[in-house]
Amino acid sequence: TQLLEQSPQFLSIQEGENLTVYCNSSSVFSSLQWYRQEPGEGPVLLVTVVTGGEVKKLKRLTFQFGDARKDSSLHITAAQPGDTGLYLCAGYNQGGKLIFGQGTELSVKP
Amino acid sequence: DTAVSQTPKYLVTQMGNDKSIKCEQNLGHDTMYWYKQDSKKFLKIMFSYNNKELIINETVPNRFSPKSPDKAHLNLHINSLELGDSAVYFCASSHLSGVYGYTFGSGTRLTVV
Repeated sequence: TQLLEQSPQFLSIQEGENLTVYCNSSSVFSSLQWYRQEPGEGPVLLVTVVTGGEVKKLKRLTFQFGDARKDSSLHITAAQPGDTGLYLCAGYNQGGKLIFGQGTELSVKP
Repeated sequence: DTAVSQTPKYLVTQMGNDKSIKCEQNLGHDTMYWYKQDSKKFLKIMFSYNNKELIINETVPNRFSPKSPDKAHLNLHINSLELGDSAVYFCASSHLSGVYGYTFGSGTRLTVV
């Protein structure tokens, strides 16, 4: 069974701190997608990375796809309370399925 | 509004009942999905349809039956509900294969008592 290991599962930090969430697998993915989910809502796509080594920035969020397309990271600079939520990485595999990691619950305290 | 909309938002029912969840997307996407999110927030694919044709059918009990009357609709019917079916069910859609991303509905919280 293909697995995406996401870490940490829980993260509680103060406003202004930086953080990194990791997503690792032993399998190669065609793309790696990052979603954010708020309570009572569905996941919302933040970014998709497709090329090995690719880096994408979305304001204070930086996403990186590993060179071998097996891992990815999400870095948030100067976190704000509005960043609080569940962050999910998901890998699109060569069988045409989107496999999700376990998620990271982020809490940013003012 | 362009979106994936699913109904109902909440569903509380007794064991043994049969229930349906409806999903519609107006994004013009070709592919639709059902995902199940458990109490630990883990999302698992259940089914995928492309232009009304079933293309992914994970190891889901056959009490769960998806139906796609057209490419904008994918409904989920569940027979003989069990306590373990309690979860949040998400419908999603994507353009073509979904390699560039999915659009999710806001979920249906199913509680079986």
